[in-house]
Amino acid sequence: GQQVMQIPQYQHVQEGEDFTTYCNSSTTLSNIQWYKQRPGGHPVFLIQLVKSGEVKKQKRLTFQFGEAKKNSSLHITATQTTDVGTYFCAGGEDSWGKLQFGAGTQVVVTP
Amino acid sequence: NAGVTQTPKFQVLKTGQSMTLQCAQDMNHNSMYWYRQDPGMGLRLIYYSASEGTTDKGEVPNGYNVSRLNKREFSLRLESAAPSQTSVYFCASSERLGTRFIEQFFGPGTRLTVL
Repeated sequence: GQQVMQIPQYQHVQEGEDFTTYCNSSTTLSNIQWYKQRPGGHPVFLIQLVKSGEVKKQKRLTFQFGEAKKNSSLHITATQTTDVGTYFCAGGEDSWGKLQFGAGTQVVVTP
Repeated sequence: NAGVTQTPKFQVLKTGQSMTLQCAQDMNHNSMYWYRQDPGMGLRLIYYSASEGTTDKGEVPNGYNVSRLNKREFSLRLESAAPSQTSVYFCASSERLGTRFIEQFFGPGTRLTVL
């Protein structure tokens, strides 16, 4: 079945630095979604990418969907302490709306 | 709007006990989902319900049962709890718009410990 791998598992970043987290699927995806989970909280939707090669930006966050629709990335510039949390990618399918989540990248920001 | 609500927030069970986790959404969504989250493993789908009256197995259904009571409510039952079911459980809901589903909205979670 479909598997979604996410790297790195942990990311320690100094405030002001940039970092990228990567997501790879074993199969072609219909869409990919990104969620953020703060410590002790629940996943909160960030964005959905649907088209091959799509790039979307949200302030300091840039999301990209690969040409083959099998990989995606999230790049954060000028990291802030508010960026702390775990970022999950999730491969979506259109039949039942099910999501296959990656294991997540836990981000720790050092002031 | 409360979004997705879950009860209880915390629960401690002994091995072999049973319990039902409750979930309700007020967004009029047709689709609802139950996930478990374990450290380092992301969220894994236990069961889902595409619409009122239908349920289907996800990735890790063993040891669980579900009921889609009506459009708003989707409950998860552990008939005989085991320590391996210690986890955080999230309920989520979504809706189809045209050919695609919108994002999933998650409840606050239930933190379950089985001793």
